[in-house]
Amino acid sequence: SQTIHQWPATLVQPVGSPLSLECTVEGTSNPNLYWYRQAAGRGLQLLFYSVGIGQISSEVPQNLSASRPQDRQFILSSKKLLLSDSGFYLCAWRAGTSTDTQYFGPGTRLTVL
Amino acid sequence: SQQGEEDPQALSIQEGENATMNCSYKTSINNLQWYRQNSGRGLVHLILIRSNEREKHSGRLRVTLDTSKKSSSLLITASRAADTASYFCATPYFNQAGTALIFGKGTTLSVSS
Repeated sequence: SQTIHQWPATLVQPVGSPLSLECTVEGTSNPNLYWYRQAAGRGLQLLFYSVGIGQISSEVPQNLSASRPQDRQFILSSKKLLLSDSGFYLCAWRAGTSTDTQYFGPGTRLTVL
Repeated sequence: SQQGEEDPQALSIQEGENATMNCSYKTSINNLQWYRQNSGRGLVHLILIRSNEREKHSGRLRVTLDTSKKSSSLLITASRAADTASYFCATPYFNQAGTALIFGKGTTLSVSS
C-alpha cells in the first residue's frame, strides 16, 4: 500500500531563517506531487506541483521554492522566512494520469516568529 | 484562484441529524471530489463524482452534482460526533504542466452528542 510522509510535524522558526520541508511517498512510482498551504481556518492554496523529477510548476509567486530530486521526494524550501509564511503545509500525491484523487500527508505546522 | 465555494461556512448539529453542505464552482468540470479534514490533520478523500453522474452514495454519504447549476451537495446522514471536521470540495485544474486540484474554503461541521 502507498504511504506519504512529511517532516517535521511542527516547526518554529525565526524570521529570516531558511526552511526545508520534506515529503516522501512510498509504494508507488512516478507520482504527481503537490505542496499546499493552509492558513488558520482557511482553505488550501496550491503552491507547487510536479509531474516528474526536476519538473516543478509554481502556482503562486512568493518566498518559497520547491524541488524534486528523486521520484518520490518533494522538498519545499525558503532562503529567508517571512511572518506570512506561517501556516499548515500539506503534501499530496496523485497516481499519474489514472485518477484525479489526491492523497495527503499529515502536514507540517510552521510558525514563523 | 478559487474554483469551489462551500456553503455554509460552519454548521452545528446534534448527533443523529443529517448534515448538508453545498459547493458551487465556476468552470466546466469532468469530476468533483469531496475531502474531509480533521483538526490539525491532512485531508482524506471521501468521494469522487463524475460529470455524467447525478448522484453517488458511499456509506452514510450522498453526493449530488448538478452541472447545469455548477453545484454539488454532500449529505451526511445520521451524523456522529466523529464526523466533526472540515469538509472541502475540489475540482480539477488543468494546464500545460499537468493536473492539480482547486479546493474551496470548506465547511466546518460540528456534531455534538
